[in-house]
Amino acid sequence: QKEVEQDPGPLSVPEGAIVSLNCTYSNSAFQYFMWYRQYSRKGPELLMYTYSSGNKEDGRFTAQVDKSSKYISLFIRDSQPSDSATYLCAMSAGRSAGNNRKLIWGLGTSLAVNP
Amino acid sequence: DTGVSQDPRHKITKRGQNVTFRCDPISEHNRLYWYRQTLGQGPEFLTYFQNEAQLEKSRLLSDRFSAERPKGSFSTLEIQRTEQGDSAMYLCASSLLGQGLNEQFFGPGTRLTVL
Repeated sequence: QKEVEQDPGPLSVPEGAIVSLNCTYSNSAFQYFMWYRQYSRKGPELLMYTYSSGNKEDGRFTAQVDKSSKYISLFIRDSQPSDSATYLCAMSAGRSAGNNRKLIWGLGTSLAVNP
Repeated sequence: DTGVSQDPRHKITKRGQNVTFRCDPISEHNRLYWYRQTLGQGPEFLTYFQNEAQLEKSRLLSDRFSAERPKGSFSTLEIQRTEQGDSAMYLCASSLLGQGLNEQFFGPGTRLTVL
């Protein structure tokens, strides 16, 4: 079993839809939870991050972490064609794990928002 | 541009040739990572440096792969005797490991095609 599982999709939605992207994980030491967005033929860029449990909102994006279920989500409201990209979850252990806080990555979910 | 840069952006080579890629991280960042990414997959960790020390190498990194970061600034990744299976996007990322989030900033990648 991989440490981080993410459904690769592809996911295709109409413009304006609410998009839900999810990852599950198995390592209870993970404390930092990140969502990266990757456009075609570009490097990933950090979209949002959450420390420990809870929700975080930034504009049309909301990140949620449920540590009891080992489940994280990214919601995109009022989706736009410019949101079409691959969304990768990544996570790492906290400071108590020492200096090695390597990111563990999901496979990425390919999203297409159709005008 | 003060982001992570990679050179070359594209490399086409024949099987059996050696190739070398360069990564220039964000100047104050102490950590530098190399990843490999194939189509439809998340980044696969290859190796990382903290300053000039190479702290971890993935089992994916065969003896044909070597990475250096001689002065703790730029890094090179060399692949000897390339094989068709080495065709992929090679991503470099850097981060400043402090007390909080270990956010990794990615370069645009070097796309390698082995004929």
